[in-house]
Amino acid sequence: QKEVEQDPGPLSVPEGAIVSLNCTYSNSAFQYFMWYRQYSRKGPELLMYTYSSGNKEDGRFTAQVDKSSKYISLFIRDSQPSDSATYLCATSTIYNQGGKLIFGQGTELSVKP
Amino acid sequence: DAGVTQSPTHLIKTRGQHVTLRCSPISGHKSVSWYQQVLGQGPQFIFQYYEKEERGRGNFPDRFSARQFPNYSSELNVNALLLGDSALYLCASQGLRGSTDTQYFGPGTRLTVL
Repeated sequence: QKEVEQDPGPLSVPEGAIVSLNCTYSNSAFQYFMWYRQYSRKGPELLMYTYSSGNKEDGRFTAQVDKSSKYISLFIRDSQPSDSATYLCATSTIYNQGGKLIFGQGTELSVKP
Repeated sequence: DAGVTQSPTHLIKTRGQHVTLRCSPISGHKSVSWYQQVLGQGPQFIFQYYEKEERGRGNFPDRFSARQFPNYSSELNVNALLLGDSALYLCASQGLRGSTDTQYFGPGTRLTVL
């Protein structure tokens, strides 16, 4: 069993839709949770990070962590064609001491105009 | 400010050869991590270096090695290349100076092994 599971998609939505991306994880020691966006042939770009359980909002993006069910989510409101990319969830046990990131497989998102 | 830079952008090698990939972190960042991303998969952790010392190693064979220089740039070396080493190799730098620090990724080096 992988430490972080993520549905690879692909996921296709119309412009303006609300997108829900999800991951599950198995290790209860994970404390930090991140979402990265990766455009084709580019490096991952950090979108959101949260510590422990709770919600965090940044513009059209909301990250949600439920440690009791080991479930993390990213919501994108009013999706745009420019949001078309692969979204990677990532976790780690130690954040500011350089702990390694454990990534999900990535979900490929396509937003159609 | 320049972000994380990596060189070369693309590389084609044949089985059995050796390859060296290079990374320059964001100015002021002292930590560099290396990841391997196979097509269709998430990045997998290979190494982390901080202040020129290895701080972490992923589940990769000894053919993979790395080092960090006094200016905090880093090299990843892979010996005896296999077809399965074909991947995007990502470098990430981190400042490690506070809770807001995060890992910033470079554009990657795409390695093709024939």
